[in-house]
Amino acid sequence: EVQLVESGGGLVQPGGSLRLSCAASGFTFSNYWMHWVRQAPGKGLVWVSRISNDGSNTNYADSVKGRFTISRDNAKTTLYLQMNSLRAEDTAVYYCAKYKVDSSGYSRFDYWGQGTLVTVSS
Amino acid sequence: EIVLTQSPGTLSLSPGERATLSCRASQSISSNLVWYQQKPGQAPRLLIYGASSRATGIPDRFSGSGSGTDFTLTINRLEPEDFAVYYCQQCGSSPPTFGQGTKVEIK
Repeated sequence: EVQLVESGGGLVQPGGSLRLSCAASGFTFSNYWMHWVRQAPGKGLVWVSRISNDGSNTNYADSVKGRFTISRDNAKTTLYLQMNSLRAEDTAVYYCAKYKVDSSGYSRFDYWGQGTLVTVSS
Repeated sequence: EIVLTQSPGTLSLSPGERATLSCRASQSISSNLVWYQQKPGQAPRLLIYGASSRATGIPDRFSGSGSGTDFTLTINRLEPEDFAVYYCQQCGSSPPTFGQGTKVEIK
């Protein structure tokens, strides 16, 4: 059974830092790209970042570029999101998601974690 | 960036009725369109990928159609557990983007 379990969320002051983790199990972690998606309270889903299966390729939403860093440890089957210079508008539930592309070229996020809440407030 | 626009924002229906949700892309995305369901306090759940393929374990009352820029999610005979928010997404083009969601509520 595929499981994605996020941790590391909490209350942080503006300008502070936080590192989120996503522990993966039930699939060959090193074969898949992984993503972070966030959802502000009462709002919709917003893509944040992605990382290739070997960690060599990363991309970010413009809103977090230069402040957030995605990484992974395939030996520990864990995905990370280092968040620096946090702002009030970064307040959200952060989800990690497994990315799948099939032989027809159709892509999707086929599994999601339960999310971890990050609150940026003084 | 591809913008996805969902309509309506809210759909008020009774159990047993049919729900028809729309998602329009700002440019052609072929059939690379995904639908998710999200209930309060839960993570999104994959329903449909490739515009019309049901994910594992998804009941056949859920169906997707469309290609290019116009897509539809249809839920036949709404069950009580189907009342939720539905998001469309494209992740074939970078960056991945989501629609703003359609809430299906009990009338």
